[in-house]
Amino acid sequence: DIVMTQSPDSLAVSLGERATINCKSSQSVLYSSNNKKYLAWYQQKPGQPPKLLIYWASTRESGVPDRFSGSGSGTDFTLTISSLQAEDVAVYYCQQYYSSPFTFGPGTKVDIK
Amino acid sequence: EVQLVQSGAEVKKPGESLKISCRGSGYSFTNYWIGWVRQMPGKGLEWIGIIYPGDSDTRYSPSFQGQVTISADKSISTAYLQWSSLKASDTAMYYCARHTRFGELSDWFDPWGQGTLVTVSS
Repeated sequence: DIVMTQSPDSLAVSLGERATINCKSSQSVLYSSNNKKYLAWYQQKPGQPPKLLIYWASTRESGVPDRFSGSGSGTDFTLTISSLQAEDVAVYYCQQYYSSPFTFGPGTKVDIK
Repeated sequence: EVQLVQSGAEVKKPGESLKISCRGSGYSFTNYWIGWVRQMPGKGLEWIGIIYPGDSDTRYSPSFQGQVTISADKSISTAYLQWSSLKASDTAMYYCARHTRFGELSDWFDPWGQGTLVTVSS
């Protein structure tokens, strides 16, 4: 199985400041035949199901604010919230969909400082 | 609109059996993989497994293989997650979610169901 790790476990950022979340996979999730990175990011607010933010490591889902961006290589990925808003308080998860089981990272909790 | 609607909350005793459901609407149910995710109280997301309703091809996480059974009834556009003998440690919120792309196994989840809370207590 591909093991996903995230750092930090939690972070507190002032409103309007940048939040950066890291995700690492135990093996590459870059598929060489199509040069795509099989990595998604989700946001989960309390009492709600997860919501898709980003897929292919850097493609924003329709309707997701452009303050959310994703980047990364074959094993190291980053979700950046460029200017934190109050409504961004949530837990963020990465997920690899390169090979089954399609494992999730443990999550990073984002709060307001 | 693509929707997944899950069955309601359940309270069960250890050793009892249970089958929860997830009904898809607004799309061709047989042609999209649909999966299950566990979230224990205060914890993160765990991928349980996934099924392709068209031919019932099913994949499980090794952590859940043999502990649960995933099935689907394409005649009523419904996927299931079932237990034959519940344990207290099965207490969790369970989400169903659909893969986004037609027929693709290696894919991300969107949309998600609203979740089914399963409580197992004596």
